[in-house]
Amino acid sequence: DTGVSQDPRHKITKRGQNVTFRCDPISEHNRLYWYRQTLGQGPEFLTYFQNEAQLEKSRLLSDRFSAERPKGSFSTLEIQRTEQGDSAMYLCASSLGYGGADTQYFGPGTRLTVL
Amino acid sequence: DAKTTQPNSMESNEEEPVHLPCNHSTISGTDYIHWYRQLPSQGPEYVIHGLTSNVNNRMASLAIAEDRKSSTLILHRATLRDAAVYYCILSRGSGNTPLVFGKGTRLSVIA
Repeated sequence: DTGVSQDPRHKITKRGQNVTFRCDPISEHNRLYWYRQTLGQGPEFLTYFQNEAQLEKSRLLSDRFSAERPKGSFSTLEIQRTEQGDSAMYLCASSLGYGGADTQYFGPGTRLTVL
Repeated sequence: DAKTTQPNSMESNEEEPVHLPCNHSTISGTDYIHWYRQLPSQGPEYVIHGLTSNVNNRMASLAIAEDRKSSTLILHRATLRDAAVYYCILSRGSGNTPLVFGKGTRLSVIA
């Protein structure tokens, strides 16, 4: 257990529905990252926050995706009008933000299945 | 972003040392070399990182070539629990870029 928790661990939804995932980082960590991982591939970066500010978004993050980190604590990732291609593992990570030596701690992930 | 190249898979016998190679010929002077691993059905887990000098921790050792264009992750005695995908990743010195994962090396450990 890294101290990063994600909820739910599994989500099955029908195409077109909205889903929301939650990530609780290690409490003193300033940075929070979201990644997506499909079968057989390494995780792909989606977006990250420095405290409550969203500093970078990947081109993978279409306008159906939105992420928030109110008050710089937990974060939510919402996918609107889900598509079958959104089926993946969604991973959250947090870190202190110490430059290039920064270490990210990953949660267990939320596995999304879109039917 | 500087890229890394790793073998797709490797196999090791239990209790033997494992050397996992990584090539990063386009590494810049301020890039850190990080290794993460991902066990089945889990999120990635930090293993070790270094800049120029070799590094040791309780999990592994990291040997960095003198020209920094390659590195090797060393597991001193592989156990069945070390079976995972190992990712070699470069991180900018500023730390202002996210981790870029490749496909990594899938390590199988044989009892």
